[in-house]
Amino acid sequence: QVQLQESGPGLVEPSETLSLTCAVSGGSVSSASYYYTWIRQPPRKGLEWIGHIFFRGSTNYNPSLKSRVTISADTSKNQFSLRLSSVTAADTAVYYCARIPVADLSFDYWGQGTLVTVSS
Amino acid sequence: QSALTQPASVSGSPGQSITISCTGTSSDVGGYDYVSWYRQHPGKAPKLMIYEVRNRPSGVSNRFSGSKSGNTASLTISGLQAEDEADYYCSSYTSSSTNYVFGTGTKVTVL
Repeated sequence: QVQLQESGPGLVEPSETLSLTCAVSGGSVSSASYYYTWIRQPPRKGLEWIGHIFFRGSTNYNPSLKSRVTISADTSKNQFSLRLSSVTAADTAVYYCARIPVADLSFDYWGQGTLVTVSS
Repeated sequence: QSALTQPASVSGSPGQSITISCTGTSSDVGGYDYVSWYRQHPGKAPKLMIYEVRNRPSGVSNRFSGSKSGNTASLTISGLQAEDEADYYCSSYTSSSTNYVFGTGTKVTVL
């Protein structure tokens, strides 16, 4: 059974870098059949796609965040990570990691989400 | 890339059917069959309910069905149950550099 689990600090200071990791079980982050992705949801708002990483490390990012986002993978630990630099209060959100099958481009498995608050 | 447009709220009585619309453009909903639907209960992660417009993942009730006409996709929930009360989001692949776009979300209330 596929499971994804986010981890990382719940509080980040303004202008600092947000760092989260998603541990994957029941599947491989190096598979050519799936993208592994980050999505966020500000409090009481909708979902926003942040970016994804694919087979052999290729990445694609939401243009609205591209200048501040880096997604990377550690295949030895079967996990992938998100770094978002120069954060502001507008980056406060629940951050989800998820999996996207290449075949149907849905978000088929999600982590439980982790709330990151940007505040001093 | 703007979010796909969904009604803010839809309600129905137990046993009734409701339909949620999701309107986009020819660059997303109208251009591809990569439309999916998600149910999100409060404080929980979204759950995939429909993929590729009309396909149900294993384990999802056949009370959920999807369709598409032009730039608008729809999710129908038949035999409405208390557990269906939740927020619902559509999503589509898009040819824009955003890659994926979500809907604005619809709150379903079971009266």
